Amino acid sequence: DADVTQTPRNRITKTGKRIMLECSQTKGHDRMYWYRQDPGLGLRLIYYSFDVKDINKGEISDGYSVSRQAQAKFSLSLESAIPNQTALYFCATSTDTGPEQFFGPGTRLTVL
Amino acid sequence: GNSVTQMEGPVTLSEEAFLTINCTYTATGYPSLFWYVQYPGEGLQLLLKATKADDKGSNKGFEATYRKETTSFHLEKGSVQVSDSAVYFCALSDVRIQGAQKLVFGQGTRLTINP
Repeated sequence: DADVTQTPRNRITKTGKRIMLECSQTKGHDRMYWYRQDPGLGLRLIYYSFDVKDINKGEISDGYSVSRQAQAKFSLSLESAIPNQTALYFCATSTDTGPEQFFGPGTRLTVL
Repeated sequence: GNSVTQMEGPVTLSEEAFLTINCTYTATGYPSLFWYVQYPGEGLQLLLKATKADDKGSNKGFEATYRKETTSFHLEKGSVQVSDSAVYFCALSDVRIQGAQKLVFGQGTRLTINP
């Protein structure tokens, strides 16, 4: 089945460490997104990419960077993790035409 | 800017009860509206959508009608089951940036159904 996968599913790290979260998709979609989910705040957009040459900041990009290595791969990095980046992180994809998005299972990140 | 406000949770109901989760929005233009569901330990799944005023989205016994006059998109189900226990997110498509189809989410409503 065409799918969106995320690795790792869970990660515990320490303040100041560099962390990379990876997302892969087999849906053939050009557009990919990274969100974080915090209790009571819903999902907030970190970065989005419309193709491998197009990267855009979302509403909460400070402290994060991304890399679009291929159409199917979109990675999120925390250069120097801090405790308030503890959250559930989701990758999503969409087609060029429809607004609906397709989500991965999420990565639970804990920064101590 | 565009925003979505959902009914405060958590919501706890008994099996076979009637469910309403309120969702109102603020938007310029004519966004599409969505309900996503997140089951425990999983990512979000699209539950239903509506793309224009008066459209009714439906799936798995859930329904929501796009009401432009009240800027609402309330989720309803006539008889809930234990398997409906999940977190429900209302969202709208934000098309203010050219070519973008970003989604703006509400804060989520946790629903628990007791047998």
